[in-house]
Amino acid sequence: GIQVEQSPPDLILQEGANSTLRCNFSDSVNNLQWFHQNPWGQLINLFYIPSGTKQNGRLSATTVATERYSLLYISSSQTTDSGVYFCAVASILTGGGNKLTFGTGTQLKVEL
Amino acid sequence: EAGVAQSPRYKIIEKRQSVAFWCNPISGHATLYWYQQILGQGPKLLIQFQNNGVVDDSQLPKDRFSAERLKGVDSTLKIQPAKLEDSAVYLCASSRDRGNEQFFGPGTRLTVL
Repeated sequence: GIQVEQSPPDLILQEGANSTLRCNFSDSVNNLQWFHQNPWGQLINLFYIPSGTKQNGRLSATTVATERYSLLYISSSQTTDSGVYFCAVASILTGGGNKLTFGTGTQLKVEL
Repeated sequence: EAGVAQSPRYKIIEKRQSVAFWCNPISGHATLYWYQQILGQGPKLLIQFQNNGVVDDSQLPKDRFSAERLKGVDSTLKIQPAKLEDSAVYLCASSRDRGNEQFFGPGTRLTVL
């Protein structure tokens, strides 16, 4: 099946700092989503971005499908940004089932 | 628009007991998914429904897990009998159709003692 690797695995930032999270995947995809899992376990949708660039407030994401990677940018980080960030993809090879395969996540902690 | 609803939020049972989880997807969403998330890992798909038919249940341990989606709306996931390794968060998600953005519910945290 498709492989999804995220980096870095852990990240500690001072409030106000910027960061870039990376997601590499091993096959062509027809779905790529970024999620934030908050300390209560809720998966919050950040971006649905199988290709291209999107922005939402302090967050933006870029997926370069031909090179099989996606980047999530967090600017002016806040303590409420803390949690685990997951990249999840669905491979075209799964026959259209849209099963999401998740990466292992990036654990982010933003300190005052 | 209401999100994906799940109940219960927490459940503690002893091994060999049975348990059931309920999910109500976003209105109008044809595709429903159950994922299992073990502590420290990303969620893994257990079963996917398209309306009331199963699309993918290749990762469902069918000797103890079962799921149904009667009438193509609500769904239940059952474990019988439970094992210690079933301790996890069970997440339900839905999407308008296959290939569309998936939205997750709050999950049910299961502890098997």
